[in-house]
Amino acid sequence: DIQMTQSPSSLSTSVGDRVTITCQASQDIRNYLNWYQQKPGKAPKLLIYDASNLETGVPSRFSGSGSATDFTLTISSLQAEDIATYYCQQYDDLPWTFGQGTKVEIK
Amino acid sequence: QVQLQESGPGLMKPSQTLSLTCTVSGGSIIRGGYYWTWIRQHPGKGLEWIGYIYYSGSTYYNPSLKGRIIMSVDTSNNQFSLNLSSVTAADTAVYYCARVRDMIRAFDFWSPGTMVTVSS
Repeated sequence: DIQMTQSPSSLSTSVGDRVTITCQASQDIRNYLNWYQQKPGKAPKLLIYDASNLETGVPSRFSGSGSATDFTLTISSLQAEDIATYYCQQYDDLPWTFGQGTKVEIK
Repeated sequence: QVQLQESGPGLMKPSQTLSLTCTVSGGSIIRGGYYWTWIRQHPGKGLEWIGYIYYSGSTYYNPSLKGRIIMSVDTSNNQFSLNLSSVTAADTAVYYCARVRDMIRAFDFWSPGTMVTVSS
């Protein structure tokens, strides 16, 4: 299975800050990577697909980049409603696998 | 707007078979270009993908679940189902059903999730 490793596991930051989360794949996955946001007690929500494409309705402060093994999710200016856990997911090979998650909290 | 809602038991005993059904509304399950899938999340943990089914009945199961899974689809009722046999406490989790957009293999619509507890 392809292993997906996210860093950091958690971060504490302030409203308005720029937030960067990284996701590393154990092998080349081209750009076959999606990002999700999960708020407490809720189902995950698709944010970014194919590494850099914003899902319809997702605020433009979210962006994704990367290819091959290294990927980044960026929130340009953190809002209070962005407090959540973020997951990456690869679909280059079966079984599809997720990163372990990055929890974003407000200081 | 597509909506998914899972149904099934909240509490089970070890060795039983977990049966969950996902009802899809707002869109047809036989529409091409989509897979239908199950994901679970152990308490306080990350996401584990269980497998998918296509409306034709073709399936893929995560090998991590070691042959305990059977998925099926009921196109007449716009539903798909998960059977997980020989459950143990390790199967205690929130179970989600979701739609997969084929071209990007992304889970674009999710159910709210149902907690399943396995306890003697």
